[in-house]
Amino acid sequence: NAGVTQTPKFQVLKTGQSMTLQCAQDMNHEYMSWYRQDPGMGLRLIHYSVGAGITDQGEVPNGYNVSRSTTEDFPLRLLSAAPSQTSVYFCASSYGQAGYYNEQFFGPGTRLTVL
Amino acid sequence: DQQVKQNSPSLSVQEGRISILNCDYTNSMFDYFLWYKKYPAEGPTFLISISSIKDKNEDGRFTVFLNKSAKHLSLHIVPSQPGDSAVYFCAASADFGNEKLTFGTGTRLTIIP
Repeated sequence: NAGVTQTPKFQVLKTGQSMTLQCAQDMNHEYMSWYRQDPGMGLRLIHYSVGAGITDQGEVPNGYNVSRSTTEDFPLRLLSAAPSQTSVYFCASSYGQAGYYNEQFFGPGTRLTVL
Repeated sequence: DQQVKQNSPSLSVQEGRISILNCDYTNSMFDYFLWYKKYPAEGPTFLISISSIKDKNEDGRFTVFLNKSAKHLSLHIVPSQPGDSAVYFCAASADFGNEKLTFGTGTRLTIIP
């Protein structure tokens, strides 16, 4: 199992450019989510999905779009990048079985810089 | 408004001694608490968790204590080993079974050989 994979590892964008951060998992997990990590802020939830076709907003969703067309993939789209989106982005997945907490597995992260 | 707080950005401990990492929370709806460990250039990995119906959970060298009345939890690592050097994040979840986590800001633990 590759677990949770993220591409690219590093990316530099100019203000106003768009891009998609890719996330894939091969564990047949229903629940997937995106977090961003900023200095002094910990990790903050951007968007999450409880299954294919279902997405919802987290704590800091503005400026980001997501979709979940398959169980395996959960891409994060930046429509018009801003310097405030400079951060490290982590994707996570879990079984998402209702009734108890399911351990989340995190990808290695994408470091994004917006100039 | 930081609902999960880790007030110590860093901590240094001698190898073999006990490491104690602290975490405070403000949201009374949190009912599940977790500790994640993170090495540089890697994603966080799950370490240990505790439900609000317990006050202690142990897994090998790691023990988490929960004081609900004080809204405080702590992670004890005994004995500390050089491989424990990492950033430790406290996280909390409301509505037991909900994977939406609120993270603290992290504590960088350095184990001195």
